[in-house]
Amino acid sequence: EAGVAQSPRYKIIEKRQSVAFWCNPISGHATLYWYQQILGQGPKLLIQFQNNGVVDDSQLPKDRFSAERLKGVDSTLKIQPAKLEDSAVYLCASRLEGQGGGFFGPGTRLTVL
Amino acid sequence: AQSVAQPEDQVNVAEGNPLTVKCTYSVSGNPYLFWYVQYPNRGLQFLLKYITGDNLVKGSYGFEAEFNKSQTSFHLKKPSALVSDSALYFCAVRDPNFNKFYFGSGTKLNVKP
Repeated sequence: EAGVAQSPRYKIIEKRQSVAFWCNPISGHATLYWYQQILGQGPKLLIQFQNNGVVDDSQLPKDRFSAERLKGVDSTLKIQPAKLEDSAVYLCASRLEGQGGGFFGPGTRLTVL
Repeated sequence: AQSVAQPEDQVNVAEGNPLTVKCTYSVSGNPYLFWYVQYPNRGLQFLLKYITGDNLVKGSYGFEAEFNKSQTSFHLKKPSALVSDSALYFCAVRDPNFNKFYFGSGTKLNVKP
């Protein structure tokens, strides 16, 4: 079974630039999560989708972050404009209804200079 | 508020010795509890989970964890540590009502030969 795919794996941008990350969850997984993991910290949930609807985006900085999952499969997370403090690993995870845990992708490491 | 605490930033153990990585949680209702491991430049990998039933849960790579409701703990254990177990370990709790995951801050496990 293929895992959660994310791209790119690494991205370096300057502050005030824009960046987008892509996630392809495991086939059939209705729930999709985006997490931000700052170095030395545990992952923090940014947004949770159930199919193509947003379940929770309470910790998403909506003035600069946006995410979508138009067809209930792939998802993109965008930052516009980026700040230095956005430097982190952005993890995507998916979960099948009825399963306990989520499956995580390898993450995208973002460095904002 | 839901939360997960990992009181130790780092745990050092000699190869062949037993290891324990601690986790306590605060969540309303009956929690779903998880342990994940993260190797450098890799995504989070699922180790084990507790949903219901036997308090001692066995997972991947010889790890196990014990759910203790009275102490609200879910400590990760392994009878005999391997150098290859050295990694970052995250405890997580899922609120079954809202499917949200909350992660601890992580514990770095160092197993020395």
